[in-house]
Amino acid sequence: GAGVSQSPSNKVTEKGKDVELRCDPISGHTALYWYRQSLGQGLEFLIYFQGNSAPDKSGLPSDRFSAERTGGSVSTLTIQRTQQEDSAVYLCASSLVTRSSGGESPLHFGNGTRLTVT
Amino acid sequence: TQLLEQSPQFLSIQEGENLTVYCNSSSVFSSLQWYRQEPGEGPVLLVTVVTGGEVKKLKRLTFQFGDARKDSSLHITAAQPGDTGLYLCAAPNSGYSTLTFGKGTMLLVSP
Repeated sequence: GAGVSQSPSNKVTEKGKDVELRCDPISGHTALYWYRQSLGQGLEFLIYFQGNSAPDKSGLPSDRFSAERTGGSVSTLTIQRTQQEDSAVYLCASSLVTRSSGGESPLHFGNGTRLTVT
Repeated sequence: TQLLEQSPQFLSIQEGENLTVYCNSSSVFSSLQWYRQEPGEGPVLLVTVVTGGEVKKLKRLTFQFGDARKDSSLHITAAQPGDTGLYLCAAPNSGYSTLTFGKGTMLLVSP
């Protein structure tokens, strides 16, 4: 079956412009995550969606970052007024979270969007 | 915020050598996962350990969860160039909703 799909794979934008990154999770996966990966910084949690619950936005670094998940499937991460420090690889992951699996559910990652802000 | 410290940060070895990488924390975890990430791709799950003292083997890879469930190690026997990649450990946060990742160990295996 298809894995997690992210688009675009690469995005170069000018400082101050808005960008939208898209994630198509694995069909049937109820949980969706966005992480950011910068050189030497590891994976930084941004936001988490689980079913119809309110998203956990605790990792968003500023109010320039927002995300939505429509119909419990596709998600879009939007960065407004991009800054050079936003340059990173943005990774989306999905998982099939059940009450029994809890935190042990493996995350299935896409290949990421490499964002470069010039 | 729980932190996962991985060491070493970078390891460059020759094909056929053995190696061990570590994942340590001051927090106790219910479980811990290991992922491998190759360039241009997302991380892929290798294993999940859930019981203190547990040892899991995946071909030439041996994973151990510490007795106190605060640390874990990954041992690779007779490393091959195909083992090259970024090895990440991850543990659920206190709410069990997300995973916190370490910064990873970058492994380079030369032929």
